[in-house]
Amino acid sequence: EPEVTQTPSHQVTQMGQEVILRCVPISNHLYFYWYRQILGQKVEFLVSFYNNEISEKSEIFDDQFSVERPDGSNFTLKIRSTKLEDSAMYFCASRAGTGIYEQYFGPGTRLTVT
Amino acid sequence: EDKVVQSPLSLVVHEGDTVTLNCSYEVTNFRSLLWYKQEKKAPTFLFMLTSSGIEKKSGRLSSILDKKELFSILNITATQTGDSAIYLCAVDDYGQNFVFGPGTRLSVLP
Repeated sequence: EPEVTQTPSHQVTQMGQEVILRCVPISNHLYFYWYRQILGQKVEFLVSFYNNEISEKSEIFDDQFSVERPDGSNFTLKIRSTKLEDSAMYFCASRAGTGIYEQYFGPGTRLTVT
Repeated sequence: EDKVVQSPLSLVVHEGDTVTLNCSYEVTNFRSLLWYKQEKKAPTFLFMLTSSGIEKKSGRLSSILDKKELFSILNITATQTGDSAIYLCAVDDYGQNFVFGPGTRLSVLP
């Protein structure tokens, strides 16, 4: 069964460093998402991406964040200068297309900023 | 501000019990409501509801939406220990995309 994959599973970085979280969505899916979940808190939407551009983003997704689909396979989330409060589980998700609303989530990347 | 509220936040039952999880929402532009099950890590999709009064069913799980009263319920009958998880309700809002509730942590004891 096709699945969304994410790497790394755990990333530890120092405050102020840049991190790139990688996701490989399900092949042929057209919509891509990033969410985060701070430990013990609810899942929060960050950004959605369709047709090679951001379609929606939340207030959390400020200038420190960027997304890219560099090669038609990977979907990346970059945090330019990490802060302690960026520590969270980051989930990537994808869905097939218009009218199909089921999102498939990846296993997540746990980001720890020290 | 868009919000999704779930209740109870935590629930402990014994195998065989039936549970009802609640989700209420206030969003600007409702498109659909989704239920997810989150075990160790990533949420997995359970149901998507767009119309009031139409029950969605999958095995022992069922869900229904009331768009007039702005809530949905998720029922699980004959619970099993494998049902232990956090159940997330999310609303697809055209403006902000997906707004998640805090989840209900269900523990099913043998």
